[in-house]
Amino acid sequence: ETGVTQTPRHLVMGMTNKKSLKCEQHLGHNAMYWYKQSAKKPLELMFVYSLEERVENNSVPSRFSPECPNSSHLFLHLHTLQPEDSALYLCASSQEPAGTSANEQFFGPGTRLTVL
Amino acid sequence: AQSVAQPEDQVNVAEGNPLTVKCTYSVSGNPYLFWYVQYPNRGLQFLLKYITGDNLVKGSYGFEAEFNKSQTSFHLKKPSALVSDSALYFCAVRDTSGGSYIPTFGRGTSLIVHP
Repeated sequence: ETGVTQTPRHLVMGMTNKKSLKCEQHLGHNAMYWYKQSAKKPLELMFVYSLEERVENNSVPSRFSPECPNSSHLFLHLHTLQPEDSALYLCASSQEPAGTSANEQFFGPGTRLTVL
Repeated sequence: AQSVAQPEDQVNVAEGNPLTVKCTYSVSGNPYLFWYVQYPNRGLQFLLKYITGDNLVKGSYGFEAEFNKSQTSFHLKKPSALVSDSALYFCAVRDTSGGSYIPTFGRGTSLIVHP
């Protein structure tokens, strides 16, 4: 596999379920991101991990819990979600040296989540 | 602080005509600017970026973008549109003075190319 992969591609869950989204990057990058993309809303940055340490969390509800066990893998654990959490969840990675870089992000295909 | 604006939610163009998707930005220092494209049910794909140097940047699929510092703009262009160019386009910016590698994305512009 190459690039950034995400599983599952589609997920339907009830509000009481617990599920996890998985992201894997095969690019040797040192930063990984979770984004939420809802219809007619801007791309929303949820979490960033750099060198396996979380460096930013934009006030995302606690029902979303990220995990980054190593630089290649990123998870998003979901529990007691609401219908408004239905969206496309995108994972991305990039290579970030110290300081500001001009490196672009590489995105996975996304997981389409529907909460009933 | 960094921000980016895409003033048009949707751009319609006939196949074979030139297209422009607009982007303006605001940064404290100098910008790094990016364009991405998203096809239906897919993630974002990198098209091109401006770092420094020549104001006209060429990218994938025949796209190019022009950096204009005085107008703080980075418009995406293509001389002749294809129906297959129909997609969602995102502009993004990083401020070189902020020390953060996390970009800010625009809201996206839907490009529709009519046959």
